[in-house]
Amino acid sequence: EAQVTQNPRYLITVTGKKLTVTCSQNMNHEYMSWYRQDPGLGLRQIYYSMNVEVTDKGDVPEGYKVSRKEKRNFPLILESPSPNQTSLYFCASSPWDRIYEQYFGPGTRLTVT
Amino acid sequence: AQSVTQLGSHVSVSEGALVLLRCNYSSSVPPYLFWYVQYPNQGLQLLLKYTSAATLVKGINGFEAEFKKSETSFHLTKPSAHMSDAAEYFCAVRGGTSYGKLTFGQGTILTVHP
Repeated sequence: EAQVTQNPRYLITVTGKKLTVTCSQNMNHEYMSWYRQDPGLGLRQIYYSMNVEVTDKGDVPEGYKVSRKEKRNFPLILESPSPNQTSLYFCASSPWDRIYEQYFGPGTRLTVT
Repeated sequence: AQSVTQLGSHVSVSEGALVLLRCNYSSSVPPYLFWYVQYPNQGLQLLLKYTSAATLVKGINGFEAEFKKSETSFHLTKPSAHMSDAAEYFCAVRGGTSYGKLTFGQGTILTVHP
């Protein structure tokens, strides 16, 4: 089954404790992206990747890091999480020729206390 | 810069009634427009898209949307609501400066009453 998977689905952590949210897709898509969803704000792009070893900032990159060492994986790293990073996070992927038709993962709900 | 405004954060309809979810956009490039749907506890999935071909586009589950350049609108409609349509709906426009980027509206939660 074609899908985007994220782990963990739920995470409660404390301020300053480094964490990684994994994202993996099995569709051989070139493009991958991370979004955060906050009430009343819709989805905002954090980082995106055009292909392996090619990443760039989205609209709200502060406090986040990403890497793309393999085509299928695009982990999101929070080096020192803060409460304002409490949010619902989505990973998405798409093929190069239909780049805007993005497939979304199920989401990761992160709470930072 | 690209932006999307969805009028009404909550819309409530009766089962069998017309569904109308409003979306207005602003874009510095010819727009590609999308509607995504998010069911409870799930990720978003593409409902339909406009990419400069026919102005009336049909999507999954009986939804359709009409691109109106003069009104900068891309409203989503469905003639007869079903209970299973209850979800949050997002309108999105392709980004201008970042290839592949989608700019999303704030979302509209659709409630369907029996």
